[in-house]
Amino acid sequence: DAGVIQSPRHEVTEMGQEVTLRCKPISGHNSLFWYRQTMMRGLELLIYFNNNVPIDDSGMPEDRFSAKMPNASFSTLKIQPSEPRDSAVYFCASTREQNTEAFFGQGTRLTVV
Amino acid sequence: GNSVTQMEGPVTLSEEAFLTINCTYTATGYPSLFWYVQYPGEGLQLLLKATKADDKGSNKGFEATYRKETTSFHLEKGSVQVSDSAVYFCALTTFSGYSTLTFGKGTMLLVSP
Repeated sequence: DAGVIQSPRHEVTEMGQEVTLRCKPISGHNSLFWYRQTMMRGLELLIYFNNNVPIDDSGMPEDRFSAKMPNASFSTLKIQPSEPRDSAVYFCASTREQNTEAFFGQGTRLTVV
Repeated sequence: GNSVTQMEGPVTLSEEAFLTINCTYTATGYPSLFWYVQYPGEGLQLLLKATKADDKGSNKGFEATYRKETTSFHLEKGSVQVSDSAVYFCALTTFSGYSTLTFGKGTMLLVSP
C-alpha cells in the first residue's frame, strides 16, 4: 500500500486566496483525521471523520476552514480566504479500526504571504 | 475527555546516554497507547504501541510499558544515538462507536556526538 497520500507537498499562496489540501487515506481505513502543526502550538486536531461522517470539528479554528469527505478514499481541507497565520504543516492521518495505530501522510507545508 | 501529558523538551543528551521521556494520560474507557516519532521534515510514524495493561511495546531499542495503576507510558532507551534526534509524541486511542486519537504536545530529543 502507498500509505496516506497528501497533495500538494508544498503550497505558497497570497493572503486572501483559496487553498485546498487533499488527502487519500489508506484503503480500508474508516477514520480520517486532519491536523495542523506549528512551532508555537504544536500538533492540533482540526477535524476527524468516521465512515465519511464528520464526528468532531471543534478544532477547526474558524469559519474560513472547511473539510469534506465525499467518499472513503478522498478528503479535502479548504481555507477561504487564507491568512498568513494559517501558515503551518497540515497532516492527514487514517486508522483502520478501533484501537489501532494511525498512519500519517507526509504533510502539506502551507505558506501564506 | 481524553488527554495526554508528556514532559516538555528539548531533552538534550550525549550519545550513549540513557533516555526517559515521561507520559501520563487520562482516558474514558480502556485506551491503547502509542509512541510516535517525527524526524525533521517528515510526518509522524509509529514507534511502538501497547494495547493492554502491563504490555511492553518495543522497537529500535526503545521500550514503554503500559502502567494502568499510574496511567503512564514512559518511553525509555538504554543508549541513544545521534540518529534518534527527533520529536516524540505520546498518544492514545479509545473506541466508543468510533475511534478517537489524542496526542501529547511532543518532546524534542537532541542527541550530540
